[in-house]
Amino acid sequence: DIQLTQSPSSVSASVGDRVTITCRASQDINTWLAWYQQKPGKAPKLLIYAATSLESGVPSRFSGSGSGTDFTLTISSLQPEDFATYYCQQSNNFPLSFGGGTKVEIK
Amino acid sequence: QLQLQESGPGLVRPSETLSLTCAVSGGSTSNNDNYWGWIRQSPGKGLEWIGSMSHSGHAHNNPSLQSRVTISIDTSKNQFSLKLSSVTATDTAVYYCARRRIGIFGNEFDYWGQGALVTVSS
Repeated sequence: DIQLTQSPSSVSASVGDRVTITCRASQDINTWLAWYQQKPGKAPKLLIYAATSLESGVPSRFSGSGSGTDFTLTISSLQPEDFATYYCQQSNNFPLSFGGGTKVEIK
Repeated sequence: QLQLQESGPGLVRPSETLSLTCAVSGGSTSNNDNYWGWIRQSPGKGLEWIGSMSHSGHAHNNPSLQSRVTISIDTSKNQFSLKLSSVTATDTAVYYCARRRIGIFGNEFDYWGQGALVTVSS
């Protein structure tokens, strides 16, 4: 099974900050990686797919990069509505798996 | 706009079978480019993929739950279902139904239900 390790597990940041979250896969997953945002009591929302492609309707301040085993999600200028937990997910192999999550908190 | 809505009992007794249904509106479960599946999230924890199925019956399940999971699709009702047998307290979670989009470059979950909390307790 492919393990996804996210870091950091939490980050404190201010509005306007640049935030970078890392996801490392236990083996090569090419670019079969997606990123999701989850707010308390809500379902996850797809942000990025195929490692770098922005889902329709998602603000351009979100971007994804990486391939193979190392991936990043970057929020270029944090907005109040971005405080949430972020998850990566791989679809290279079954079973599909998610990272442990990164909580972005207000500083 | 595609919408998914989970329904089912919120309380299940230990050793019994958890049953949930996901009603799909604004789109069809017969679409060839999609799988329909389930993900769960234990209280305060991360996300765990349970399994998914296409309208043609092609299924993938998480081996950690494989022997206890049954996912089925009823295209006539435009809905799909989850059955998880022999539940224990560790199966207490919010259960999400979701559409898995099949593309050239990824298989991601693009539409989700709001989630249904299922508690396993006597």
